[in-house]
Amino acid sequence: DAKTTQPPSMDCAEGRAANLPCNHSTISGNEYVYWYRQIHSQGPQYIIHGLKNNETNEMASLIITEDRKSSTLILPHATLRDTAVYYCIVRLHQAGTALIFGKGTTLSVSS
Amino acid sequence: NAGVTQTPKFRVLKTGQSMTLLCAQDMNHEYMYWYRQDPGMGLRLIHYSVGEGTTAKGEVPDGYNVSRLKKQNFLLGLESAAPSQTSVYFCASSYSSGRGINEQFFGPGTRLTVL
Repeated sequence: DAKTTQPPSMDCAEGRAANLPCNHSTISGNEYVYWYRQIHSQGPQYIIHGLKNNETNEMASLIITEDRKSSTLILPHATLRDTAVYYCIVRLHQAGTALIFGKGTTLSVSS
Repeated sequence: NAGVTQTPKFRVLKTGQSMTLLCAQDMNHEYMYWYRQDPGMGLRLIHYSVGEGTTAKGEVPDGYNVSRLKKQNFLLGLESAAPSQTSVYFCASSYSSGRGINEQFFGPGTRLTVL
């Protein structure tokens, strides 16, 4: 399984874009990049996933570099409710495959 | 839909006691998982199930047993609790679809303390 590296913490001002980086230099060709977040010790919540193209949904955007060795999760207009631990996970695009969580990035959004 | 629910929400055990954590999902998902999360750490997989009647070991299975007698329920048992099993336990479920997405839905967690 490809490992991921994330900064332990980041700060962001409310209303600004939050850009969370993730390094996954050992990713294999059939592995996807997934992002989950965990708010205040609740169960993790799925955010977005991608293979090699940039992806966007109602929650966030995912930018994956052309060589797929790194990616950035973008929260375009961060709010206080986006304060959470964000996990970047590289896994097979296959239901039933367990997720492997690292320590993630703690994002603190302040007013 | 209630999604994924976990029972109980909190529990305190003494060393050597046994207990069962219940996870239930009403989304008709095939796959279910048990994770544990220790303070300041990410989640680690204990056991998982790819269908009714089938279970498999995850990263940290020692000291735990599981059963999936019904599709909607996944039970996690501790036969003889140890202080090292003090943790927050999360259950999750996921489904198979034509898109193959690996999106897991998590329950609210059970906070277990073993004295």
